[in-house]
Amino acid sequence: EIVMTQSPATLSVSPGERATLSCRASQSVSINLAWYQQKPGQAPRLLIYDASARATGIPARFSGSGSGTEFTLTISSLQSEDFAVYYCQHYNKWPPYTFGQGTKLEIK
Amino acid sequence: EVQLVQSGAEVKKPGESLRISCKGSGYKFDSYWIGWVRQMPGKGLEWMGIIYPGDSDTKYSPSFQGQVTIAADKSISTAYLLWSSLKASDTAIYYCASTSTKYYFDYWGQGTPVTVSS
Repeated sequence: EIVMTQSPATLSVSPGERATLSCRASQSVSINLAWYQQKPGQAPRLLIYDASARATGIPARFSGSGSGTEFTLTISSLQSEDFAVYYCQHYNKWPPYTFGQGTKLEIK
Repeated sequence: EVQLVQSGAEVKKPGESLRISCKGSGYKFDSYWIGWVRQMPGKGLEWMGIIYPGDSDTKYSPSFQGQVTIAADKSISTAYLLWSSLKASDTAIYYCASTSTKYYFDYWGQGTPVTVSS
């Protein structure tokens, strides 16, 4: 089973600034990596798939990069609605397609 | 418009059985994998398993194999998550979610809270 590790656990950033979230896989997942956003009381929402492709309706300030074992989600200029918990998930080859433990993005 | 509508909140006692459901609409239900994700109180997302409604091929996480059953009825575009004997540790919100051409989840249900308490 591939273990996904996200860092940091909590990230404090001011509105308008850039946020960089990391996700590491215990073995290569190629580009088979997705990012999700979850706000309190809501279901998760797909942001990024195939490591860098934005899902439908996702603003351009969200970008993903990486391949193999190291991935990054960047939010270029934080808006108030971006403060949430972010999860990465691999979907490479065989299941289980595990999630990372999440990064909570909070207002500084 | 793709929609996944889940059944309502459940309160059960330990040892009881339970089936929760997820009805898909707005897409060809039997042609895409649909999965279940657990979120325990205050915790992260856990991938439980997926099913292909077209032929009921199912893949489980080792953590959930034997603990739950995933099923689907393509005739009514509905997926199910079943327990034969609930435990207090099954208390969580359970989400269904659909895949597209790969195994990431592009559409999610609203979640079904399950509380197991004596």
